[in-house]
Amino acid sequence: NAGVMQNPRHLVRRRGQEARLRCSPMKGHSHVYWYRQLPEEGLKFMVYLQKENIIDESGMPKERFSAEFPKEGPSILRIQQVVRGDSAAYFCASSPGAGKAYEQYFGPGTRLTVT
Amino acid sequence: AQTVTQSQPEMSVQEAETVTLSCTYDTSENNYYLFWYKQPPSRQMILVIRQEAYKQQNATENRFSVNFQKAAKSFSLKISDSQLGDTAMYFCALRPSGSRLTFGEGTQLTVNP
Repeated sequence: NAGVMQNPRHLVRRRGQEARLRCSPMKGHSHVYWYRQLPEEGLKFMVYLQKENIIDESGMPKERFSAEFPKEGPSILRIQQVVRGDSAAYFCASSPGAGKAYEQYFGPGTRLTVT
Repeated sequence: AQTVTQSQPEMSVQEAETVTLSCTYDTSENNYYLFWYKQPPSRQMILVIRQEAYKQQNATENRFSVNFQKAAKSFSLKISDSQLGDTAMYFCALRPSGSRLTFGEGTQLTVNP
């Protein structure tokens, strides 16, 4: 059973460009979480999605950031008009159910560098 | 709101010795889960151990064990017989109601030969 997959692993964007980060959850998992890790910091929650629904986006910046998890295909985290402060590692995690009892399995992360 | 605090930014230990990493947290929930994750240089997040708050018995996974003090809201990780491969950043995390994880700032552990 393949683990959580994220691509690309490394992404370089110039200021003002768009960044698209993809996350394929583990087989059978319908719950996806996105976290951001700034340099020298812990992971911070961004958004929690189920298929076709955003459940909790309280950690998402109000502007330029959006996320989706369509019925078919991977979850996408989209950052428009990137700025240097967006440079970070973005981790996706998936779980088979909702609630605190279900373990979240993490992907390897996407390291975004904005030049 | 919930918070997780790791007051030791860096720690080091000699190979084969024991080390304890500290973590305190705050939540208004009565039932929650606590976790320790390891992040080696590859940056992959690896679950080390988990503890359910309603269980009084401390969790143990091979060389890793926790000291869970619910009243004090403390959740420390003990690593016995430290190995070079234990060198990593260690994050304490809290999962109260809902689904999000709240992480501490991490402790960089270095195991010296």
